Amino acid sequence: GNSVTQMEGPVTLSEEAFLTINCTYTATGYPSLFWYVQYPGEGLQLLLKATKADDKGSNKGFEATYRKETTSFHLEKGSVQVSDSAVYFCALSRNTGNQFYFGTGTSLTVIP
Amino acid sequence: EAEVAQSPRYKITEKSQAVAFWCDPISGHATLYWYRQILGQGPELLVQFQDESVVDDSQLPKDRFSAERLKGVDSTLKIQPAELGDSAMYLCAISGQDRGNTIYFGEGSWLTVV
Repeated sequence: GNSVTQMEGPVTLSEEAFLTINCTYTATGYPSLFWYVQYPGEGLQLLLKATKADDKGSNKGFEATYRKETTSFHLEKGSVQVSDSAVYFCALSRNTGNQFYFGTGTSLTVIP
Repeated sequence: EAEVAQSPRYKITEKSQAVAFWCDPISGHATLYWYRQILGQGPELLVQFQDESVVDDSQLPKDRFSAERLKGVDSTLKIQPAELGDSAMYLCAISGQDRGNTIYFGEGSWLTVV
């Protein structure tokens, strides 16, 4: 089947620390991979995506590389800010049928 | 501007009452989804529409939940009767080839059942 597993939180970091949130996936075929961010009381917003192996998605200083050999799509940021505090969701889609599968989310808190 | 408008943003209702949520994509998209998100968890798919047809409602509690998308554009999700366990955020989302096969969410509707 299709599923996403991401590291459990919560994660607490000091401002300017390095961030890694692990995400691995199980999928049939060749899925697209996504990271979404959710701020308190809001819907999920697309952060970045990658559609094929070895693609790197990037946005707002965040990066993730589609690794087919390790079935992973880890989210990284070199220097986090307080404003990055949110919940991060890894997701995959099987392009056939427009079906999406979400991880359980990782809560990040950045302290000054 | 958000891809998807949802209303109401917040709703408090008493147990056993009926409640409805409305979703209006800013422009036409073939695929529309309703998700439920319980606090602290990831989104759970309730129903997926392709145009006006339901393509997946396997996780929709059909004894109390209903969803429709009559003209293949906007959509409503109804709960009757509401139960305490229905308290959650209800998210509408859209995707399609014109959006790079990426899913875009509305801001959600918070439901509290008392």
